[in-house]
Amino acid sequence: DIQLTQSPSSLSASVGDRVTITCRASQDIDTWLVWYQQKPAKAPKSLISAASTLQSGVPSRFSGSRSGTDFTLTISSLQPEDFATYYCQQYKTYPPTFGGGTKVEIK
Amino acid sequence: QVQLQESGPGLVKPSETLSLTCTVSGGSIRNNYWSWIRQSPGKGLEWIGFVYYTGTTNYNPSLKSRVTISMGTSKNQFSLKLTSVTAADTAVYYCARAPGGLLPFDYWGQGTLVTVSS
Repeated sequence: DIQLTQSPSSLSASVGDRVTITCRASQDIDTWLVWYQQKPAKAPKSLISAASTLQSGVPSRFSGSRSGTDFTLTISSLQPEDFATYYCQQYKTYPPTFGGGTKVEIK
Repeated sequence: QVQLQESGPGLVKPSETLSLTCTVSGGSIRNNYWSWIRQSPGKGLEWIGFVYYTGTTNYNPSLKSRVTISMGTSKNQFSLKLTSVTAADTAVYYCARAPGGLLPFDYWGQGTLVTVSS
């Protein structure tokens, strides 16, 4: 299975901060990576697919990028509604696998 | 708007079979891949497997010996059976849709907590 390692596992930030979350794949997955946002007691919601394609309706402050097997989710200016846990998931090969999550908390 | 809703017992005894059903509304069950995904504090998010509307299935090798996913008798349902459960199977179980076999999950159910305990 392809392992996805997210860092950090949690972070504290203030409204307006720029936040960066990293997901490292254990092997090449090209751009077959999606980022999800999950709020407490809710299902994950996709934000960015194909490493950098913003899903419809997702604010433009979210962006994604890839460098080799390293993927980055950036929130350019953190808003109150962005406090949540973020997961990456690869869909290059079966079984699809998820990163361990990054919890973004209010500082 | 596609909606998914999980249903089934919230408590299952060790060694018994966990059975859940997902009901799909607001969209066609055809031409889509219907998955079960679970989330536990210990193992995070774990894909269990999918069923295609034709009945084709694919399972996570880590669970394959215990899992059956099938289309339901009702046209807009699919189900999960997980046998010989232990406390490690305690998790929130989600059903989810992907428009292709290896594509992101675009619609999810709200999730249902299943606890394995005597």
